[in-house]
Amino acid sequence: QSALTQPASVSESPGQSITISCSGTSSDVGGYNYVSWYQQHPGEAPKLMIYDVSSRPSGVSNRFSGSKSGNTASLTISGLQAQDEADYYCSSYTTSSTVVFGGGTKLTVL
Amino acid sequence: QVQLQESGPGLVKPSETLSLTCSVSGGSMSDSYWSWIRQPPGKGLEWVGYMYYSGSTNYNPSLKSRVTMSVDMSKNQFSLKLSSVTAADTAVYYCVGSARGSASWVVSLWGRGTLVTVSS
Repeated sequence: QSALTQPASVSESPGQSITISCSGTSSDVGGYNYVSWYQQHPGEAPKLMIYDVSSRPSGVSNRFSGSKSGNTASLTISGLQAQDEADYYCSSYTTSSTVVFGGGTKLTVL
Repeated sequence: QVQLQESGPGLVKPSETLSLTCSVSGGSMSDSYWSWIRQPPGKGLEWVGYMYYSGSTNYNPSLKSRVTMSVDMSKNQFSLKLSSVTAADTAVYYCVGSARGSASWVVSLWGRGTLVTVSS
């Protein structure tokens, strides 16, 4: 299985919105509504931010939202804050009943 | 609140077997999926495999021939064995879990991670 494709880095100013893409195939992202997004700050374990494309776990800010179109999923963060600066990873369930991650995107809040 | 803690050697010799255990506290392992995810230094996340509490497993195809996961419900622990390791297996290994009744791909519970270095 091949890793999902994410941009290596994105940047935006505080208060603005940003969208991170996650591209896969019909065997993973496009085949199921089972995409998750994780946030990882340096030296820490990742944290689940979005699951099943657009669902938010309890306690996650509603500034984080997810969507999907075809084989590409997206994470949108609105009202960017300094604390949002982190690495973001998408993952998807696959037709082989396995899980595949994206390569990760480093978000810089300017 | 459920907490996970990895334990095992931090240094493994090439060609030997990496063995890690994850202790689950604060809750039951029943009706949940338990997984291992690894992250080489400075790189991204890689899913190693998952296991249902009943013992059924599913592994990353690229690691399948070398991976074994098992569970010990009596001790509230699950474990990972990765055989014939090379330097490419050097990574922070996270034991993770899905909340009770959640799907295997919804990883909401994370251990702090343990660095395993493969070197002679």
